Amino acid sequence: GNSVTQMEGPVTLSEEAFLTINCTYTATGYPSLFWYVQYPGEGLQLLLKATKADDKGSNKGFEATYRKETTSFHLEKGSVQVSDSAVYFCALSSGGSYIPTFGRGTSLIVHP
Amino acid sequence: DVKVTQSSRYLVKRTGEKVFLECVQDMDHENMFWYRQDPGLGLRLIYFSYDVKMKEKGDIPEGYSVSREKKERFSLILESASTNQTSMYLCASSLTGGTGVGEQFFGPGTRLTVL
Repeated sequence: GNSVTQMEGPVTLSEEAFLTINCTYTATGYPSLFWYVQYPGEGLQLLLKATKADDKGSNKGFEATYRKETTSFHLEKGSVQVSDSAVYFCALSSGGSYIPTFGRGTSLIVHP
Repeated sequence: DVKVTQSSRYLVKRTGEKVFLECVQDMDHENMFWYRQDPGLGLRLIYFSYDVKMKEKGDIPEGYSVSREKKERFSLILESASTNQTSMYLCASSLTGGTGVGEQFFGPGTRLTVL
């Protein structure tokens, strides 16, 4: 079956530091890949997505590249802000299924 | 702007009570979902629905039921609330096909406490 593995958190950084949150997956076929963000007290919202190999999704300074050869979709940001403190979820959808598989989430804490 | 709304942000109920959590989406999406979110466990799918009056069990349906009488509304029912159902409940919706397949839109969540 499908699975998503994310690095465990919390990830704690100082403002303006470089961020990487690792995500690897196992899936049948050619999945679409997603990163969602959950700010404190809120629901999840889509941050970025990629639908085929070598695609790069980007939004709000965050980027992730769909790497089929390493089955990875790592999230990166060059300079984090305190307002980026949130929980980040990697997810995939494959085989035409509309039911995604989520990772367990990675908490990011950014200090001023 | 697309929207998924949930009837309550916070709810406190007593053990044994019947609890209704309501979710409404305004995007004409076919699919709707209920998840619960607990620390260290991520998101777990309770039930989903791919059409009006249709429902499918997710990973943890025990102790829950659902109702979907209209396309835009999906209700989660706790027949007899128990303390182990204290959790954050998230509703989501999505399209079945097209380029957005698999992308979900979430409500703000309901934090339910069962005493």
